[in-house]
Formats: sequence, structure tokens, C-alpha cells
Amino acid sequence: QLQLQESGPGLVKPSETLSLTCTVSGGSISSSSYYWGWIRQPPGKGLEWIGSIYYSGSTYYNPSLKSRVTISVDTSKNQFSLKLSSVTAADTAVYYCAKSPPTRAAFDIWGQGTMVTVSS
Amino acid sequence: QSALTQPASVSGSPGQSITISCTGTSSDVGSYNLVSWYQQHPGKAPKLMIYEVSKRPSGVSNRFSGSKSGNTASLTISGLQAEDEADYYCCSYAGSSTPWVFGGGTKLTVL
Repeated sequence: QLQLQESGPGLVKPSETLSLTCTVSGGSISSSSYYWGWIRQPPGKGLEWIGSIYYSGSTYYNPSLKSRVTISVDTSKNQFSLKLSSVTAADTAVYYCAKSPPTRAAFDIWGQGTMVTVSS
Repeated sequence: QSALTQPASVSGSPGQSITISCTGTSSDVGSYNLVSWYQQHPGKAPKLMIYEVSKRPSGVSNRFSGSKSGNTASLTISGLQAEDEADYYCCSYAGSSTPWVFGGGTKLTVL
């Protein structure tokens, strides 16, 4: 049973770079044609897709965040990562990692989420 | 890429049925049968309830059903139960350049 777990700092200073990692267990991140993605949810607000990476390395980003986002995969550690640069208070949110099947039909497996606060 | 439009809130009594709409455009909901629905209880991660417009993952109650007409998708919950009270989000595939877009979410209250 595939499981995802987010990790990273819970507090980031304004203008710095937010870095999170999602560890995949129960399967290999590179063995199947999955999309690995990041979704966030500001306090009291809805879900926002940040971006995804295909197992081959192709990346897809939300246009509203594209200039600040980088998603990468580390197959040796069975992890994928999110970097969001020049953060502001508006980037304060719960960040989820999630998996999509090759059909791109849905986000069928989610991590538990990790709260990141942007504050000095 | 604009968010899909959902009603902010819906409510229903136990045993009743409710429907939540999700309106997109011809570039997302209208073009692909790749609409999914998620249930989120407070403090929890979203849970997939419906995928590919009307398919249910294993373990999801058949009280949950999905449909689509044109640019609008719908989630129907029949036989409402107290544990259905949650936030619900729709999501649609929107093409290869920016694949996914979410709705703003709907709060379901079971009266």
C-alpha cells in the first residue's frame, strides 16, 4: 500500500525559500507512470494545485506560482521535493503531497499534510 | 487558469439527498471526463470520493455518485448521514500545460 509523508520546516521567513520533501513508501517512485504532486490549503480556504512531476521528470506548474516553484524527484531516496521561493505571508498553508495515476484521473493518495507558516 | 465554481454551502437533513455543482469551462470540465471529488473533514487530508466523473474508489459508499453535463459536474449524496458533514472539493484535468484545477469547495451541513 503506497503511502506519502511530507516533511520540512514549519516556519519560514519572508523572502526565503520554502523547501518540503515527500517520502514515498510501499513502492518505488520511479517504477510506475505516476504523477507526483503538491497541493496547498491556506488556513480556512480551499485547495490549490501547486504543481506535479511525472515519473519521467516532466514538470507541470500552476501558472500563478510558476515563476517561484520547482519540483524535483530523488529516485535514490524515493522522494520528491517542492521549493517555493520568495515566500510571503500569503504562502502560509498546509502543504500536501499527492499521487495521480497515469490517466491523470484524480489525486488518489495523499499525505497527511504539513503546516508551513511564513513569518519573521 | 481559474478555479472551478462551487456553491459555498449546502445543507440537508439525515436521509435526504443533496447535490453539489461544479462549474468549469470548455477547457477543463467540458473537455475531459476527468472530474474528481474529494471529501475533507476538519484537520484531515482530502479523501478521493469520485474519479473520472462517476467512478467510485474501492471502499467509498454507493451513496456517493457523480455526473457531468456540459461544463458542469455534480456530486450527489443520497441518504445523508451525520458523518457526511464535511467540505467537498471538485477537481478537473485541464490539459497538458496546466493539468489540474480545483473548485473553491462546498461546506455540507447535515441538519
